[in-house]
Amino acid sequence: EDKVVQSPLSLVVHEGDTVTLNCSYEVTNFRSLLWYKQEKKAPTFLFMLTSSGIEKKSGRLSSILDKKELFSILNITATQTGDSAVYLCAVEKGNYQLIWGAGTKLIIKP
Amino acid sequence: DAGITQSPRHKVTETGTPVTLRCHQTENHRYMYWYRQDPGHGLRLIHYSYGVKDTDKGEVSDGYSVSRSKTEDFLLTLESATSSQTSVYFCAIGPAGTYEQYFGPGTRLTVT
Repeated sequence: EDKVVQSPLSLVVHEGDTVTLNCSYEVTNFRSLLWYKQEKKAPTFLFMLTSSGIEKKSGRLSSILDKKELFSILNITATQTGDSAVYLCAVEKGNYQLIWGAGTKLIIKP
Repeated sequence: DAGITQSPRHKVTETGTPVTLRCHQTENHRYMYWYRQDPGHGLRLIHYSYGVKDTDKGEVSDGYSVSRSKTEDFLLTLESATSSQTSVYFCAIGPAGTYEQYFGPGTRLTVT
């Protein structure tokens, strides 16, 4: 059975800290892995990763994929209160269908 | 935000009644999806469409049907609502050739 597992389920840090969120997967016909951010509304797209070892970066956020060990990490440096959200990981399994993890709830304290 | 709207945004209905949720896009994207989101489960795919009148089931399709008669509209019908279908329903769209999906604002459905 295809599955995507995120860890930790929740995380509380102080502003300025660096955090690492994990996503592991077991999906047949892997095509790509995507990261989304969800505040109190709909998820918004962050990154799509298809190749191992190539870091995607956007400001203070970065992500990398390891297709051999079947995981990805999302790093956020110098965290701000606006980074508080649920971070979702999803894997494309073919036919443009995504399998989603349950998410990591990140809380940034001022 | 991508041009996606969902209606209604909130609905309370009684067990056993039919309910239809509407997703409308102005982006002319080929793919449209219906998800439900529940605490502890993340997003689960109900049905998706890969073109007008072309639809397929997702992982939690029992009790739901869909229709897509125009590129811009994707309807989700709960044939006979049950309390287990109380959830937040998201519509998403995606262009062909990419795996990115863009989400609508969601519909909060409560079945009493």
